[in-house]
Amino acid sequence: DVKVTQSSRYLVKRTGEKVFLECVQDMDHENMFWYRQDPGLGLRLIYFSYDVKMKEKGDIPEGYSVSREKKERFSLILESASTNQTSMYLCASSSIAAPYEQYFGPGTRLTVT
Amino acid sequence: GESVGLHLPTLSVQEGDNSIINCAYSNSASDYFIWYKQESGKGPQFIIDIRSNMDKRQGQRVTVLLNKTVKHLSLQIAATQPGDSAVYFCAAANNLFFGTGTRLTVIP
Repeated sequence: DVKVTQSSRYLVKRTGEKVFLECVQDMDHENMFWYRQDPGLGLRLIYFSYDVKMKEKGDIPEGYSVSREKKERFSLILESASTNQTSMYLCASSSIAAPYEQYFGPGTRLTVT
Repeated sequence: GESVGLHLPTLSVQEGDNSIINCAYSNSASDYFIWYKQESGKGPQFIIDIRSNMDKRQGQRVTVLLNKTVKHLSLQIAATQPGDSAVYFCAAANNLFFGTGTRLTVIP
């Protein structure tokens, strides 16, 4: 079974803090993705990566950065958290053979106060 | 840019009935569409996909129909069960754009 794990299910941070969200997949997938999910807006792609040390901006990269030092791990970084970054964050991975068949983690609900 | 949306934010069906969830898209260049199911408290789960050179694709209890003329696709669930209660998303794969989802509620 493909497994995508995220470091926390719930996280509460203060405005201005630096926040790290970690994602690990165990299927040796080349592709990894970070989305945020908000009511009425659906899933929106923040960043994705097709290989180690490689990253591409998605639709809403502002205020975020990412890091992929190892194939199995993809980190999302909020350099200075703001209240409008309160959201559900979802990580996903997929293989080159089936790039659009994404496997999602359970999500991290981040609250910035 | 791409716009993918679902016709209804909510849908309620009786257990055992068939469900039809609709989705519209705007970009004719979209060549691949995917349906995901998201249960409460979980991440989305891949259900089925369809390429633009197909009109229909069937899976286990699910069928996806694609009408390129009107830029519309639908997900049909046969004999809907309580475990089918979830939010369903369609996505255009060429730009990973997800719609806002339809919440399907199955009434026992």
